[in-house]
Amino acid sequence: GQQVMQIPQYQHVQEGEDFTTYCNSSTTLSNIQWYKQRPGGHPVFLIQLVKSGEVKKQKRLTFQFGEAKKNSSLHITATQTTDVGTYFCAGPFIQGAQKLVFGQGTRLTINP
Amino acid sequence: NAGVTQTPKFQVLKTGQSMTLQCAQDMNHEYMSWYRQDPGMGLRLIHYSVGAGITDQGEVPNGYNVSRSTTEDFPLRLLSAAPSQTSVYFCASSTPGPPYEQYFGPGTRLTVT
Repeated sequence: GQQVMQIPQYQHVQEGEDFTTYCNSSTTLSNIQWYKQRPGGHPVFLIQLVKSGEVKKQKRLTFQFGEAKKNSSLHITATQTTDVGTYFCAGPFIQGAQKLVFGQGTRLTINP
Repeated sequence: NAGVTQTPKFQVLKTGQSMTLQCAQDMNHEYMSWYRQDPGMGLRLIHYSVGAGITDQGEVPNGYNVSRSTTEDFPLRLLSAAPSQTSVYFCASSTPGPPYEQYFGPGTRLTVT
């Protein structure tokens, strides 16, 4: 079945360092979504990427969608303690559908 | 708007017991879904619904039932709880059009002993 793999599973950084998580799909995706889950909380939508090669920025966060629409990345510049949490990517099971398959997530911890 | 609400927040069951996890949303979203979250496994889709009266299975449906009699409510039933169902359960609803953003409830932490 369709799989979405995410690496690394864990990442520990010093505050101020950069952080990147990568997402790879076994199939071409019509779009990819990113979510953030704070410790003890629920996932919160960050962004959706739709176009091949798309790059979107939200302040210190940069999201990319690969040219082949099978991979994506999230890069955080100069991490802050508020960035702590688990970041998930998710793609639709079927082209254009709302039914999502999630990656395993990357848990980010930060040393202040 | 309350968004997506779930009850209870915590539950302990004995093996073989049944129970219903409640989920409600007040955003008039047609699409709703249930996920379970286990360490290192991400979020796995249990069941989903594209509207009242319509439900379908996700990745891990065994041991769970759902129904959708109204747009607002989407309860998840555990028929005969097993220790393997110890998990955190999230209900979500989705906007009807792009970007199909999913709004998650606060979750139910279930322990089966």
